[in-house]
Amino acid sequence: AQSVTQPDIHITVSEGASLELRCNYSYGATPYLFWYVQSPGQGLQLLLKYFSGDTLVQGIKGFEAEFKRSQSSFNLRKPSVHWSDAAEYFCAVGAPEYGNKLVFGAGTILRVKS
Amino acid sequence: ETGVTQTPRHLVMGMTNKKSLKCEQHLGHNAMYWYKQSAKKPLELMFVYSLEERVENNSVPSRFSPECPNSSHLFLHLHTLQPEDSALYLCASSPQFVGTDTQYFGPGTRLTVL
Repeated sequence: AQSVTQPDIHITVSEGASLELRCNYSYGATPYLFWYVQSPGQGLQLLLKYFSGDTLVQGIKGFEAEFKRSQSSFNLRKPSVHWSDAAEYFCAVGAPEYGNKLVFGAGTILRVKS
Repeated sequence: ETGVTQTPRHLVMGMTNKKSLKCEQHLGHNAMYWYKQSAKKPLELMFVYSLEERVENNSVPSRFSPECPNSSHLFLHLHTLQPEDSALYLCASSPQFVGTDTQYFGPGTRLTVL
């Protein structure tokens, strides 16, 4: 069965430092890949998504992610973290052969220290 | 009001109560979703409606009963719940029920079952 793994439950970075959140998936074909962010008391908001084409995608709030087929990964990056980036981040994956449903990772909680 | 709204935001109920969660989307979308978000677990898809027809029921217990009277409204009727049903219930919508469409989430209803 398909699965999505976010290895880091919590990450703490200093404000201004760079960030990378990991996402690995187990799918048989080229998947649809998403990153969502959830602030406390809020629903999920889309940061970026990848379906095809350039494997480096740009999203909102200065985030980017790179699809690496050979590693089955879709890691999220930001060059300089702001205190307002503190939130929970979810990777989600879908694939045509599994219908139109998304499978979400368990999430990574980002803490930003000043 | 824009986006996806959910009411109530918080709900406390006993195991013998009957209550309903409401979701409304103002985006003109044709697909709507119910997810369950429990602590330390990935989002679980519960139900999907496309053009007001239920197209997914992810082995959800019958004590959860969805209703989609039109493409803008989605309800989740609750009865004889168990304490393990306590969670954040998220509603989402997307333009169509296709894997590449972005899902837009409401803020959720925090449900506590006593």
